[in-house]
Amino acid sequence: GAVVSQHPSRVICKSGTSVKIECRSLDFQATTMFWYRQFPKKSLMLMATSNEGSKATYEQGVEKDKFLINHASLTLSTLTVTSAHPEDSSFYICSARGSGTGFYEQYFGPGTRLTVT
Amino acid sequence: EDKVVQSPLSLVVHEGDTVTLNCSYEVTNFRSLLWYKQEKKAPTFLFMLTSSGIEKKSGRLSSILDKKELFSILNITATQTGDSAVYLCAVEANPYDFNKFYFGSGTKLNVKP
Repeated sequence: GAVVSQHPSRVICKSGTSVKIECRSLDFQATTMFWYRQFPKKSLMLMATSNEGSKATYEQGVEKDKFLINHASLTLSTLTVTSAHPEDSSFYICSARGSGTGFYEQYFGPGTRLTVT
Repeated sequence: EDKVVQSPLSLVVHEGDTVTLNCSYEVTNFRSLLWYKQEKKAPTFLFMLTSSGIEKKSGRLSSILDKKELFSILNITATQTGDSAVYLCAVEANPYDFNKFYFGSGTKLNVKP
């Protein structure tokens, strides 16, 4: 089956620093990648949708200058949390979807736990 | 406002019981409805439904969609403790020029031995 990986799986950083999270589709080409944030006891919140080679589409309330998304290739998307603050601590999950008939499901990465101290 | 509502929010059953989880939605330009099982990490995909009345099955799990009444159910028969998880319902819609997903808040299922 389709596999999506994220790196790192867990990261701790200091306030004011930037953190980059990678999302890779390992055995398929992901034309679309999604970035989610999960809050404790709540569901996933979609942050942005990125299509390969174009600018990401951010959801309302998500600061695009703070959460930089790059989808430079069909197998890699990155999320950079800039000038991180403790309130950015969360579980960030990406998912990927390929193109083509029948390949319609999203495949989720394992997530990255970010802790900002 | 586009939304997805799941019920119940939580459920406690004993092994062997059958459970039915509900998902209702109101979205613009519905594309598909997806069920996920979420344990400690990111949700894993269970089913995708696009057509009304066609049941999808995988082992003890099955799901069906009613596009007229705008809801879906997820059934789990002969539940096991390993079924304990949060079950997420997500609806893909195309309200603008791009697709987006709307997730429900999930149903937390606890299967006791």
